[in-house]
Amino acid sequence: DIQMTQSPSSLSAFVGDRVTVTCRASQSIVNYLSWYQQKPGKAPKLLIYGASSLQSGVPLRFSGSGSGTVFTLTISSLQSEDFAVYYCQQYNNWPTFGPGTKVDTK
Amino acid sequence: QVQLVESGGGLVKPGGSLRLSCAVSVSDYSMSWIRQAPGKGLEWLASISSSGMTIYYADSVKGRFTISRDNTKRSLYLQMSDLRAEDTALYYCARDRTVTHYGRYFDYWGLGTLVTVS
Repeated sequence: DIQMTQSPSSLSAFVGDRVTVTCRASQSIVNYLSWYQQKPGKAPKLLIYGASSLQSGVPLRFSGSGSGTVFTLTISSLQSEDFAVYYCQQYNNWPTFGPGTKVDTK
Repeated sequence: QVQLVESGGGLVKPGGSLRLSCAVSVSDYSMSWIRQAPGKGLEWLASISSSGMTIYYADSVKGRFTISRDNTKRSLYLQMSDLRAEDTALYYCARDRTVTHYGRYFDYWGLGTLVTVS
């Protein structure tokens, strides 16, 4: 299995801050990476696929980058509705998810 | 709008069985089951093609769980047997966006159904 790690495991930020979450794969996954947002009591929501393609309806403040083994999710200006847990997922092989990064208010 | 609604969760004793269902508003996509143990991350369990002819399982559930679908009823199922405490989780059904025969991501998710093995 391809192992996924995320850093940091949690972060605190102000509304308006630029936030970056990093995801690393145990081997190259090319660009077969997606990002999800999960709020308490809700299902995960797809934000980005193909490492950098924005899912329809997702605000433009979200962006993704990277290839190979290192990927980033960036929120350019954090909004109150963005406080959530963010997961990366590789699909170069059978799907595996990262452990998540919790973004909360400072 | 794609809607997925899971049902069938509940409390079951170790070694018991349970069948989960997912009502699917559209049936022309591959579908998957994914679970989330309390306070933990996400784990892909199984996928089934739109026709039901191609099925894949994670090693952790192979031989114990069976995924199936009935497109005439617009339903997806997960038959779980020999349940263990570590199967306690919220079980989601999700629509696949298939990239390769094993590579997929998930663009729509249900709200989940809780399975407790105790």
